[in-house]
Amino acid sequence: GDSVTQMEGPVTLSEEAFLTINCTYTATGYPSLFWYVQYPGEGLQLLLKATKADDKGSNKGFEATYRKETTSFHLEKGSVQVSDSAVYFCALSDLYGGSQGNLIFGKGTKLSVKP
Amino acid sequence: EPEVTQTPSHQVTQMGQEVILRCVPISNHLYFYWYRQILGQKVEFLVSFYNNEISEKSEIFDDQFSVERPDGSNFTLKIRSTKLEDSAMYFCASSPDRGRVNEQFFGPGTRLTVL
Repeated sequence: GDSVTQMEGPVTLSEEAFLTINCTYTATGYPSLFWYVQYPGEGLQLLLKATKADDKGSNKGFEATYRKETTSFHLEKGSVQVSDSAVYFCALSDLYGGSQGNLIFGKGTKLSVKP
Repeated sequence: EPEVTQTPSHQVTQMGQEVILRCVPISNHLYFYWYRQILGQKVEFLVSFYNNEISEKSEIFDDQFSVERPDGSNFTLKIRSTKLEDSAMYFCASSPDRGRVNEQFFGPGTRLTVL
């Protein structure tokens, strides 16, 4: 079935450091890909999305590119801030494939940014 | 900006008791979902609901679970006889359609603690 694998955390960075969180997926169809963020004590918020190969999703300085050839959707940010401290989830929706449109999530990666 | 709301934010119950978790999806959305996140684990799909009936359900969603849309605004998840392993964060989500993109909007979650 469909699945998402993302790098285990926690990740601890200093402010202004470069961030990469790896995400790879397995899907039977042609999925849409998402990154969700969960700030402490809050629910899941959509951070960015991409729906087809080579699309780049971007928001709040974060970027991720849909790479079909490597089945990856790595999250990057050039300069993290303390306020970026949160748990980041990679997810896919594969409407005509294994997930039938329901979101399948990775395990989440906790990011802590120190001043 | 419209948002998904959930009540209560935290529910404590005794094993074997029934609980009802409530959600108010975004008003013009048509598809509704419940997910759960056991502490430290990934977010897992439970059930999707459309046109007043269940669209899909996961293996987790057994006979102890039920969903209902009792009126035009609320969407509820009932657990008939709670077990210790039902302790988790439960997220409601809604989406306006079910196309390839299937962007889902999440509520803040209800933390269920079964003692």
